[in-house]
Amino acid sequence: EVQLVESGGDLVQPGGSLRLSCAASGFTFSNWWMHWVRQAPGKGPVWVARIKTDGSSTTYADFVNGRFTISRDNAKSTLYLQLNTLTVEDTAVYYCVRAWDYWGQGTLVTVSS
Amino acid sequence: DIVMTQTPLSSLVTLGQPASISCRSSQSLVHTDGNTYLSWLHQRPGQPPRLLIYKISNRFSGVPDRFSGSGTGTDFTLKISRVEAEDVGIYYCMQTTRLYTFGQGTKLEIK
Repeated sequence: EVQLVESGGDLVQPGGSLRLSCAASGFTFSNWWMHWVRQAPGKGPVWVARIKTDGSSTTYADFVNGRFTISRDNAKSTLYLQLNTLTVEDTAVYYCVRAWDYWGQGTLVTVSS
Repeated sequence: DIVMTQTPLSSLVTLGQPASISCRSSQSLVHTDGNTYLSWLHQRPGQPPRLLIYKISNRFSGVPDRFSGSGTGTDFTLKISRVEAEDVGIYYCMQTTRLYTFGQGTKLEIK
């Protein structure tokens, strides 16, 4: 059974940083492109970033503007998202998504003073 | 960026009756590989989105056959032949042809 379990979400002040993790199981992690998608309260999903199977290629949504970094450790079957210089507009549930069939349960990032 | 526009934004349907949601893209979703990467997702309150339909009309594993997808190019439709109580929630179309964008969502409620 495919499982994606996110963690690392928290309440953080504007300008702060967080590192999100997504532990994958039930499939060969290294064979799949992986994505992060976020969903602000009451809004629709928005794609954030993607990473190639071997980590050699990454792409980000325009709004990321150099603040986030997606990475992966295939030996640990884990996907990461480093969030820096956070603003209140980054408040959202962040989902880890196996391209593009399975979604994790999400982890909540709240940016507030 | 490709913009995805869904109609209606909300729908009130009687149990057992059909429902239909439309999705229009601002550009053709036909990929250079010949495939059209248009998917439909369903999200219940407090849950993550889950995949229903991929590449216009292919039902994902475990999706009931009352769900069907159709369309070409820039115009797509999700149909539910007979709405059941578990179908309430928000439906999103999504394109993965050129990067990734979602429709605004259509809220389905039972009358």
